[in-house]
Amino acid sequence: AQSVAQPEDQVNVAEGNPLTVKCTYSVSGNPYLFWYVQYPNRGLQFLLKYITGDNLVKGSYGFEAEFNKSQTSFHLKKPSALVSDSALYFCAVRANTGGFKTIFGAGTRLFVKA
Amino acid sequence: NAGVTQTPKFRVLKTGQSMTLLCAQDMNHEYMYWYRQDPGMGLRLIHYSVGEGTTAKGEVPDGYNVSRLKKQNFLLGLESAAPSQTSVYFCASSGLAGSSYEQYFGPGTRLTVT
Repeated sequence: AQSVAQPEDQVNVAEGNPLTVKCTYSVSGNPYLFWYVQYPNRGLQFLLKYITGDNLVKGSYGFEAEFNKSQTSFHLKKPSALVSDSALYFCAVRANTGGFKTIFGAGTRLFVKA
Repeated sequence: NAGVTQTPKFRVLKTGQSMTLLCAQDMNHEYMYWYRQDPGMGLRLIHYSVGEGTTAKGEVPDGYNVSRLKKQNFLLGLESAAPSQTSVYFCASSGLAGSSYEQYFGPGTRLTVT
């Protein structure tokens, strides 16, 4: 069965510091992995994805994520956090073995302090 | 392009009342989804559709029905609302198999059942 774990409910970081939001997954076969961001009272917005190829994926707003097959992880990173990055972040996984179902993690709230 | 739109944005129902939530997308996507978002639980799939005229159950389908009579619209119905259905509901769409699979979300409908 597919599953996604975001082990931290909340991450606090100072503006200008690097940030990491963690995600681990379990899926049969090769995974399709995604990060989404949700700002208050808004729907989720797609940030980046890993389908195949280079393990380091770059996305919107300066975010990147590193796919690690051996650790089944897909951590979201940014070299220098901004206050405007404060939001709720969701990791999601989809199996590439057919079907459509995407499983979302519970979400991690990121607070960036000025 | 408007992307994915949802109506209404807010609704308060009394227990036992019925309502329909409308989702529309203008991206010619095949797949459409209805999720509910509850605190600490991420997004849970209610129902989905892989094309016009087709629907299927997701993770938490009980108490909901859906219809997809036109490719661009996906309706979610509550026949007899219960307080447990108080939630924020999101509609999403994504493209055909072979495309990139990321989902595009509407702004959400906040439903309160008293």
